[in-house]
Amino acid sequence: NAGVTQTPKFQVLKTGQSMTLQCAQDMNHEYMSWYRQDPGMGLRLIHYSVGAGITDQGEVPNGYNVSRSTTEDFPLRLLSAAPSQTSVYFCAVGRRKFLSSGNTIYFGEGSWLTVV
Amino acid sequence: QQPVQSPQAVILREGEDAVINCSSSKALYSVHWYRQKHGEAPVFLMILLKGGEQKGHDKISASFNEKKQQSSLYLTASQLSYSGTYFCGTEKGGGSEKLVFGKGTKLTVNP
Repeated sequence: NAGVTQTPKFQVLKTGQSMTLQCAQDMNHEYMSWYRQDPGMGLRLIHYSVGAGITDQGEVPNGYNVSRSTTEDFPLRLLSAAPSQTSVYFCAVGRRKFLSSGNTIYFGEGSWLTVV
Repeated sequence: QQPVQSPQAVILREGEDAVINCSSSKALYSVHWYRQKHGEAPVFLMILLKGGEQKGHDKISASFNEKKQQSSLYLTASQLSYSGTYFCGTEKGGGSEKLVFGKGTKLTVNP
């Protein structure tokens, strides 16, 4: 998992609560991203970043915020949790800044989130 | 635009071969292949860049036909350890740094 640490591993939230999923890497990787995985839907990109101070939206960004103030950390914030956000969340990182440079993307171990 | 994988599922006996296809309606710059076992994170298998190259290691290889916007993953003489869900991720280049995945192909290898 290329030194990617996700916390927490499991979390139960009530509808309307906010929380932050943490993703940290200590290998100075430029590219970081968040995916959610739901049964039958594959992996869907939420947000991504090509470096500190740079973030952009993925396929399913609504309801989530991100920031990249340092190279090491890329937290994902749920502002007001909804049952539809129950999912497994994966942080994925790549050594290089851009995908087109043959950037290999490695996944963290995942965070299981349940919103009730 | 999510790539389309086929088949959705395949069941093999140990030693048999399988092909998993990944196609896109958009021009592609690269294709990434991953395998995921139940309850675990996806694990990187290989990346293919624009240029129609074929890559492989051990008995798993892949091809990328950029003109047809398609990639195929070839599993030869399958082993029990090949069981899992295979995902292709596609990147269209042109400054878009989004790696978009298909819905996956579930491969089951039986003794």
